Amino acid sequence: EAQVTQNPRYLITVTGKKLTVTCSQNMNHEYMSWYRQDPGLGLRQIYYSMNVEVTDKGDVPEGYKVSRKEKRNFPLILESPSPNQTSLYFCASSLSRTYFNEQFFGPGTRLTVL
Amino acid sequence: SQELEQSPQSLIVQEGKNLTINCTSSKTLYGLYWYKQKYGEGLIFLMMLQKGGEEKSHEKITAKLDEKKQQSSLHITASQPSHAGIYLCGADSGRNEKLTFGTGTRLTIIP
Repeated sequence: EAQVTQNPRYLITVTGKKLTVTCSQNMNHEYMSWYRQDPGLGLRQIYYSMNVEVTDKGDVPEGYKVSRKEKRNFPLILESPSPNQTSLYFCASSLSRTYFNEQFFGPGTRLTVL
Repeated sequence: SQELEQSPQSLIVQEGKNLTINCTSSKTLYGLYWYKQKYGEGLIFLMMLQKGGEEKSHEKITAKLDEKKQQSSLHITASQPSHAGIYLCGADSGRNEKLTFGTGTRLTIIP
């Protein structure tokens, strides 16, 4: 089954404790992206990757890191989480940038930073 | 940067009634995408519009892009409980490798 998986689905952590949210897709997609969703602010892009070893900042990259060492994986790293990073996070992938209509979204990761 | 404004922010509609959600862009749209999100879940692609004046339909949902390519509407006919959720429009400015999303419209269907 074609899908984007994220882990964990739910996470409660404390300020400053490094964490990684994994994202994996099994569709051989080139383009992957991370978003955060906050009430009243909608969906905002954090980072995106056009292909392996190619990543770029989205609209709200501060406090986050990503890597794309393999085509299927695109982990989101919070080196020192803060309460303002409490949010619902989505990973997404598509065949390429020009195929947004076939962008698949993961189920989301709800992160709470205390 | 491109901004998308959706209206209304929330909508409560009686089952069986029609409704319209609007998405307005501050810049010309090269691609306009409609997604649906069930509460707390991932997004599901609905439709993509690219040409001015384009209109697409899927089941009871119709999306239109105006001639100037700066506004899109999503119309649901004879709404059903399964239509409830958050509807988001996303736009491709054509200049960079990302989609910008609107803030969403929360749709509630009441009996």
